[in-house]
Amino acid sequence: GQQLNQSPQSMFIQEGEDVSMNCTSSSIFNTWLWYKQDPGEGPVLLIALYKAGELTSNGRLTAQFGITRKDSFLNISASIPSDVGIYFCAGQRGGAQKLVFGQGTRLTINP
Amino acid sequence: DTGVSQDPRHKITKRGQNVTFRCDPISEHNRLYWYRQTLGQGPEFLTYFQNEAQLEKSRLLSDRFSAERPKGSFSTLEIQRTEQGDSAMYLCASSPVAGRRYEQYFGPGTRLTVT
Repeated sequence: GQQLNQSPQSMFIQEGEDVSMNCTSSSIFNTWLWYKQDPGEGPVLLIALYKAGELTSNGRLTAQFGITRKDSFLNISASIPSDVGIYFCAGQRGGAQKLVFGQGTRLTINP
Repeated sequence: DTGVSQDPRHKITKRGQNVTFRCDPISEHNRLYWYRQTLGQGPEFLTYFQNEAQLEKSRLLSDRFSAERPKGSFSTLEIQRTEQGDSAMYLCASSPVAGRRYEQYFGPGTRLTVT
């Protein structure tokens, strides 16, 4: 089952607004990743984080690896219509190669 | 630039039939992963290969499921005697062995519907 809890589950915002979402776990992760998925497509990698406290940007997206290594955050600034979709956090633990995913945050933008 | 490709994109089958899906990873990636995603959920890990060796299998991968990567390039996932509960999106991903090895790049998925 899922080990990562994403919040919020859904967001309805106006175009141009900033967006914040987060992902938490009771377990420590070594790597955090954020993906975006459009309907009927596979997830697309947005940002990867490798160190506690790390802050990384990709255009209007900024993600942070939490200091406790049990959480991560994603911010989107000045949202545009193409930001609509489902955002997933994913984590890698210990020596495992597999990723564990959250249940997703669905972003809807009103023009 | 060729990403991960999957074939077919959609498959409709009757309960009890066997189905096989194919995944072609990014050419320089040694690791290949299969995940399953049901509606409203994130992907769940099924199995992964490093080159041709299958190194980990999830308990989700029942004995009706088998995956192969015979020459360390493309992979196939077969489901025998399909059940309605097998209906899902089957995703393939690949990653390099060294460097950013936890960055997994996904294909577009194969949507399976079992009627």
